[in-house]
Amino acid sequence: QKEVEQNSGPLSVPEGAIASLNCTYSDRGSQSFFWYRQYSGKSPELIMFIYSNGDKEDGRFTAQLNKASQYVSLLIRDSQPSDSATYLCAVNDLFSGGYNKLIFGAGTRLAVHP
Amino acid sequence: SQTIHQWPATLVQPVGSPLSLECTVEGTSNPNLYWYRQAAGRGLQLLFYSVGIGQISSEVPQNLSASRPQDRQFILSSKKLLLSDSGFYLCAWSTPDRGNQPQHFGDGTRLSIL
Repeated sequence: QKEVEQNSGPLSVPEGAIASLNCTYSDRGSQSFFWYRQYSGKSPELIMFIYSNGDKEDGRFTAQLNKASQYVSLLIRDSQPSDSATYLCAVNDLFSGGYNKLIFGAGTRLAVHP
Repeated sequence: SQTIHQWPATLVQPVGSPLSLECTVEGTSNPNLYWYRQAAGRGLQLLFYSVGIGQISSEVPQNLSASRPQDRQFILSSKKLLLSDSGFYLCAWSTPDRGNQPQHFGDGTRLSIL
């Protein structure tokens, strides 16, 4: 069974701290990994993607991928109250052929308090 | 740049009534298209996906159907809504690549069944 696991949270961090969001996946051969942010009542918004082992930085966001451990994480530096949202991890479905299907985790709710 | 439009934003329907939700994409050709449902406080459930006009694949048996009458138009329908059809319906698109492309979401339709 293909799975993407996330801690549901809430993860509570003080303003200015680093928020660390984690995700594990079951398909060892997965190649593409995505992080989406979803504000309450809104649709998911892509914030990061990573394909290779290691770190990828974009502004305050860093995605980290460890394929050997089947683990992908998202770090948010200098967390702001506006970062409070649910963060969804998504992994490509190896068996979707050319259909580019993604498997989504249930999301981690992040709360940044002033 | 590419944009995706979904309408209506909110819909309240009685049990047993029909449904038609529409999604259109601009600025790209031959996109992969997807319909998801998100129940309150839950993850994303893939309902249908399409790689071309008239090509629809269903992920789960249900009361809904999908059609793609034009390259950038994707429609979600039901002949008779059930209470369990309530939820947040999201349309998404991706470029037609083999599993390495992110999906981009429309603003969603919040459907309430009375």
